Amino acid sequence: AQSVTQLDSHVSVSEGTPVLLRCNYSSSYSPSLFWYVQHPNKGLQLLLKYTSAATLVKGINGFEAEFKKSETSFHLTKPSAHMSDAAEYFCVVTGGGADGLTFGKGTHLIIQP
Amino acid sequence: NAGVTQTPKFQVLKTGQSMTLQCAQDMNHEYMSWYRQDPGMGLRLIHYSVGAGITDQGEVPNGYNVSRSTTEDFPLRLLSAAPSQTSVYFCASSYLEMDEQFFGPGTRLTVL
Repeated sequence: AQSVTQLDSHVSVSEGTPVLLRCNYSSSYSPSLFWYVQHPNKGLQLLLKYTSAATLVKGINGFEAEFKKSETSFHLTKPSAHMSDAAEYFCVVTGGGADGLTFGKGTHLIIQP
Repeated sequence: NAGVTQTPKFQVLKTGQSMTLQCAQDMNHEYMSWYRQDPGMGLRLIHYSVGAGITDQGEVPNGYNVSRSTTEDFPLRLLSAAPSQTSVYFCASSYLEMDEQFFGPGTRLTVL
């Protein structure tokens, strides 16, 4: 079994300030972990993925995430927020099989001008 | 490559009607899946397939059927639509189960 908890349903930051979106997971297997972004009325786009290589993963648009096994966390960060980052972000875990991808409930990122 | 395509983009049904949501991919991916997205719930897995002729249930399979006769296509059938099936449906594919999944643009379904 696997699960994902996104610790904040909404995060609001000012443009140019750092972004932190928090994610904790549980999995019976060695998991793969992903962050996806969904802009309003759009499909989902992969930001980055962790698949048991380097624990610090760099993604698109300046985002990165660090896999911490001891804390079962996979938090998403960006040094400087841009207005175009406003979207819904999903943390996702998979161990394969019948569980497929398990999505967190999402974090709505709001960027203040 | 077109990637993952879904049709229709929007659909309105009456309670009890049946319909098929179409999904196709041109990336020769073995793994395909269907999710529904509801406000505050993230995406939940309905059914998945690890290859042609093989399908299995996900977290919320009731009221839905799938089949996989070819690698490219993975239709989702609603047998007798209910208002609880009002949702946005996403199809996804990947080469292997634990790989990055590529998502279609979604189908917004309303059941009255």
